Parts: sequence; C-alpha cells; structure tokens
Amino acid sequence: QVQLVQSGAEVKKPGASVKVSCKASGYSFIGNYIHWVRQAPGQGLEWVGWINPKSGNTKYGKKFQDRVTMTRDTSINTVYMELNRLTSDDTGVYYCARAPTAAYDSWGQGSLVTVSS
Amino acid sequence: QSVLTQPPSVSAAPGQKVTISCSGSSSNIGDNFVSWYQQLPGTAPKLLIYDNNQRPSGIPDRFSGSKSGTSATLGITGLQTGDEADYYCGTWTSGLSSFVFGTGTKVTVL
Repeated sequence: QVQLVQSGAEVKKPGASVKVSCKASGYSFIGNYIHWVRQAPGQGLEWVGWINPKSGNTKYGKKFQDRVTMTRDTSINTVYMELNRLTSDDTGVYYCARAPTAAYDSWGQGSLVTVSS
Repeated sequence: QSVLTQPPSVSAAPGQKVTISCSGSSSNIGDNFVSWYQQLPGTAPKLLIYDNNQRPSGIPDRFSGSKSGTSATLGITGLQTGDEADYYCGTWTSGLSSFVFGTGTKVTVL
C-alpha cells in the first residue's frame, strides 16, 4: 500500500533552517508528484509547493519561493523540503502528499516544526 | 489567507444530513477540479472527493461532491459521531500556478 513516512519533530531558533524528509513506498516513486502542505497551530491548510521526483523540477508558492528548496533522492525514494530563515510564523505541521491527479490521495503523518528562541 | 470560502462550522444530529459550501472564482474553482479532505483531530487530512464528485475506494457513499460554476459542495448523509472533523475543499488556480485550500469547516454532531 502507498505510504509516505516523514521525519520527526524539529525545534529551531529564529533565522535557522530546517530540512524535513518524506520517504515513499508502495508505488512507483518517480510516477507521481509530491507536494508539501503546511498547517499552523489551530489554522487551516496552506500549499507550499511541489516536486516532480522524476525530473527534480519544482514549483513553489509565492509566499515561500525565496526561502524553500525541494529536492529528491531517487535511490532511496525520498523527497526533502528545506525552509530557510525561519521565523515564529513558520511553526506548524508540515505534510507531504502524493498527487496522482488534481488531488492528494495519500499523506504523510506530518512533521512538527517549532521555531522558538 | 485562503481564496476559497467555507462556513466556519455546521452541525446536525446523528443520522441527519449536512452540506458544506466552498466558494471561489473563475480563476480557481470555475476552471479546475475540486477535491475535499477530512481531517480528524490530530491526524493528517484524508481524501474524500476528487474531480468534483468522485469518491476514492473505501470512501462510503454517504459522502458526495458537486460543483456548479465557481462553487462546490460537500454533502454528508447519515451523519455519525465519527464524522466530527474539519473539512477542507481544494483546487488549483488558473494555469496550475498554485493549489489553494478552503478556509475549513468544523462539523459537529449534536
């Protein structure tokens, strides 16, 4: 079955960077785009961007495009999202999700990122 | 700030029906497929509806979706206590430049 397993919780200081991983299994890794979605505490869902695991091409949301980098390692079926220059507003749960069509059919369990001095 | 507007909350008694609206524009819902997600407390979202009205395998037919113009609707019939959750609509913006989610609706079973 399709599974996306994310890395664990992180605590970072303002100005630092964080790198979250998402390991895929149960399907062809290069066959589907992976997206990242953020959820601040008590808030709704916010799209961060996507990566095409086959080509490595990416597209980022305007809010994040100068601070986020998405990469992949096809040898271990894993995608990464790195967010730089963290502020307290970046605190939240980051999800990876598979998008075989115009919808997200499988989600990772989420990675909590806490930014605090 | 989301461009898709949903009611903050809806409620009904067990066994009853609720509908959740998702209002957008011609540059998002009007031009693209809509999907719906259920998020139970403390868990990741789960796909309920894709391509406006299609249910993934395993989603009961108590859940239905529709779209008309620049709005979409999620319906839940035979409401159960296990349906208490937050529900989000989502779609692409024109040119697939970004994906947007609705503001979210909390469903309460009275």
